[in-house]
Amino acid sequence: DVKVTQSSRYLVKRTGEKVFLECVQDMDHENMFWYRQDPGLGLRLIYFSYDVKMKEKGDIPEGYSVSREKKERFSLILESASTNQTSMYLCASRAGVGSPLHFGNGTRLTVT
Amino acid sequence: AQSVTQPDIHITVSEGASLELRCNYSYGATPYLFWYVQSPGQGLQLLLKYFSGDTLVQGIKGFEAEFKRSQSSFNLRKPSVHWSDAAEYFCAVLLTGSGNTGKLIFGQGTTLQVKP
Repeated sequence: DVKVTQSSRYLVKRTGEKVFLECVQDMDHENMFWYRQDPGLGLRLIYFSYDVKMKEKGDIPEGYSVSREKKERFSLILESASTNQTSMYLCASRAGVGSPLHFGNGTRLTVT
Repeated sequence: AQSVTQPDIHITVSEGASLELRCNYSYGATPYLFWYVQSPGQGLQLLLKYFSGDTLVQGIKGFEAEFKRSQSSFNLRKPSVHWSDAAEYFCAVLLTGSGNTGKLIFGQGTTLQVKP
């Protein structure tokens, strides 16, 4: 069974801090995604990576960057956290275009 | 612009009643469509998907969805709802046209509450 693991379930950070959210998948998947989930807005795509060191901006990339140095790991970076980045962050992976996404359980980030 | 709309933010049905969750999409190319479910505190799980062929697709947990190109819709249905179906449901479209590398765009979600 595919497993997508997000390193933290809950995270509290201060405004201005640099924040790293880590995601690891164990099925050698090509594609990995970071979404942000907010009530009433559904899931919004921040970034996705279709291969190692390859990335593409999603719909809301501002204030975020990503890193994918190894196939199994996809990191989301908040360069300078702000209160409007308080949210649930979901990581997902898939084998290729058209394959279903497999999601982690999410990281609930609070920025104070 | 590509988009997915779920018109109903919240729906309440009685256990044993039928269910229909609406989804409309806006996409110029051939749509590849998905329904996912999210139980409280969990990540999302795939219910079903439509790529081509029969416009009525069957999924897990007794769910089905019908693709109607003329209405740009992909509504999710279940004939008899169980209390364990209470969750949030998301419709999504896969962007496959020229210049797209397979982004998956989600709707706003519909929260289903089931009354005993």
